[in-house]
Amino acid sequence: DVKVTQSSRYLVKRTGEKVFLECVQDMDHENMFWYRQDPGLGLRLIYFSYDVKMKEKGDIPEGYSVSREKKERFSLILESASTNQTSMYLCASSLQRARYLAKNIQYFGAGTRLSVL
Amino acid sequence: AQSVTQPDIHITVSEGASLELRCNYSYGATPYLFWYVQSPGQGLQLLLKYFSGDTLVQGIKGFEAEFKRSQSSFNLRKPSVHWSDAAEYFCAGGYQKVTFGTGTKLQVIP
Repeated sequence: DVKVTQSSRYLVKRTGEKVFLECVQDMDHENMFWYRQDPGLGLRLIYFSYDVKMKEKGDIPEGYSVSREKKERFSLILESASTNQTSMYLCASSLQRARYLAKNIQYFGAGTRLSVL
Repeated sequence: AQSVTQPDIHITVSEGASLELRCNYSYGATPYLFWYVQSPGQGLQLLLKYFSGDTLVQGIKGFEAEFKRSQSSFNLRKPSVHWSDAAEYFCAGGYQKVTFGTGTKLQVIP
């Protein structure tokens, strides 16, 4: 089974702190994703990566950056956390970079619930 | 704009009753379509997918979904709901990146 592991289930940070959310997948997937999940808004894509050191903006990249130095690891960075970034963050991975990226099934981690005070 | 819409925020059904969760899509052509389930405190898990072909697709846990092009819909169904089906359900679709609906939270009462 594919396993996507997010390093923390819960995080509490202060406004202005630099925050790192880590995600690791163990199935040699090419694509990795970071989503934000808020009640009534569903999942919104922040960034995705289809290869090491490659990244593309999603729908809500403002205030976030990402890093993918190794194929199995995808980090989400909040450069200066703000209270409106309090949310559930979900990492996902999918197998291949195909012509139609959406044709890949996504496998999700359990999520990191981040509170910014 | 391309989108996936789940019109029902919350649904309550009795255990043993049938279930239908609605999903509508707005794309120029048929997108790749998915249903995912999220149990409390968990990530999302794929229930089923539709790419092409037979419009009635079977998934895990006894779920099925029917693609109806004329209605731009991809509704999820289950003939008899179990208490363990209580969760949040997300419809998703797209060609390149996937767009998720806002989710439908299912409550199952004894």
